[in-house]
This record gives sequence, structure tokens and C-alpha cells, in this order.
Amino acid sequence: DAMVIQNPRYQVTQFGKPVTLSCSQTLNHNVMYWYQQKSSQAPKLLFHYYDKDFNNEADTPDNFQSRRPNTSFCFLDIRSPGLGDAAMYLCATGRDRTYNEQFFGPGTRLTVL
Amino acid sequence: AQKITQTQPGMFVQEKEAVTLDCTYDTSDQSYGLFWYKQPSSGEMIFLIYQGSYDEQNATEGRYSLNFQKARKSANLVISASQLGDSAMYFCAMPVDSSYKLIFGSGTRLLVRP
Repeated sequence: DAMVIQNPRYQVTQFGKPVTLSCSQTLNHNVMYWYQQKSSQAPKLLFHYYDKDFNNEADTPDNFQSRRPNTSFCFLDIRSPGLGDAAMYLCATGRDRTYNEQFFGPGTRLTVL
Repeated sequence: AQKITQTQPGMFVQEKEAVTLDCTYDTSDQSYGLFWYKQPSSGEMIFLIYQGSYDEQNATEGRYSLNFQKARKSANLVISASQLGDSAMYFCAMPVDSSYKLIFGSGTRLLVRP
């Protein structure tokens, strides 16, 4: 089945230690999104790629970076995680600019010690 | 700018009964869509149903239906014959400025009682 995969499902890191979260998709979608979701809150968009075009949200901290080496993969890098970065990180894909539906992966739950 | 409001932080429903989850929105776009997603405790956001603003009929997908009232700017989700597996967070969402970015409401946590 075509899907969005996130690895790992659970990630524990230490305060200030860089961490990378991975997302892959077999849907061949042009758009890939990264959301941060804190407990009992709505997902908050961090950035998205349309193909190779990177689009950062205005209020996304510089601590968060992303890479998309090819259509299938997208990475979220947190350069120096703080305690406030502990959250669920959701990756989603979208077919193209004219189609709004997003397909989500299972998420990575990040713990910062 | 768009805004989505879900006024029910938590809801209870008895198994096999129907429940309505409220969603109101604000937009200046003439053409727009509304989505509902389910998020179980495992974390994955599961797409449930979509309503286009110019759709003539309310959307229906199995046990899920939308009570779409355009003039009132509301798009309430109705779940019929609730099941224990329906216990989850439910989010209403819509595109931002006709783009392919979504904004989400604050969510409603539904608990189905046996």
C-alpha cells in the first residue's frame, strides 16, 4: 500500500544534542510537510517542500531545518533541541498545489532529556 | 485570514449512539474546502471526510457525515452508531488563503463509553 512512513516512531535525545527525524513516502506526491504537535494542541506547520522548493513558516525557529534529497524522502533536523521541543512531529504529503488533502504519517514522538 | 474554531474540548457518547462534533470557520474565500481528521492515541492523523463549499450535498463517508451550513459557516461532523474505536481526538481543518497549507482547529477529544 502507498503510504507515509516516519522513523523512528519514538526518539529520545539529550538537551542540545542534534537529532534528525526521517519521513519517506511511496505516494509520489510533490508536497511534503512537517508539523509540530504539542500535547493536546493542534498541529503547527513548521515548513513544507513543493518539489525542491523549500517554504519556511515565519515563526519557525532557526533551530529547525529540513532537507529533501529526493521526492521520496524528507528530513527534519533539530540542531540544538531544548526541553520545549519535546513534541510529536508529523510528516504529511500532498499531491500538488491544487489539491488540499494531506496524507499523514504515524508521527515521531520526541523526548528531550 | 482563516480561522477554525472547535468549542468542545471533550465529549462523551454512549456506544452505538450518534454524536455531533462542532466546527465553525471564518474565511473570505468564495471557494474553499473543509476537512475532518481523526487522531487516535497512537498519533497518526487519519483523514475522515471532505466538504467543498460548492458541493450541493453534504458529504458522507460510511458512518461519518458533515452537517454543512454555509451561511452559518459551520461544518459539524456527525458520527453515527459510535464504536469504542472512535475514541480519539478529532480536528477540523481548512486551507489557508486557498493554498495547499492547512490550518487546524484546537480539536475535540471524543470518548465512547461502553
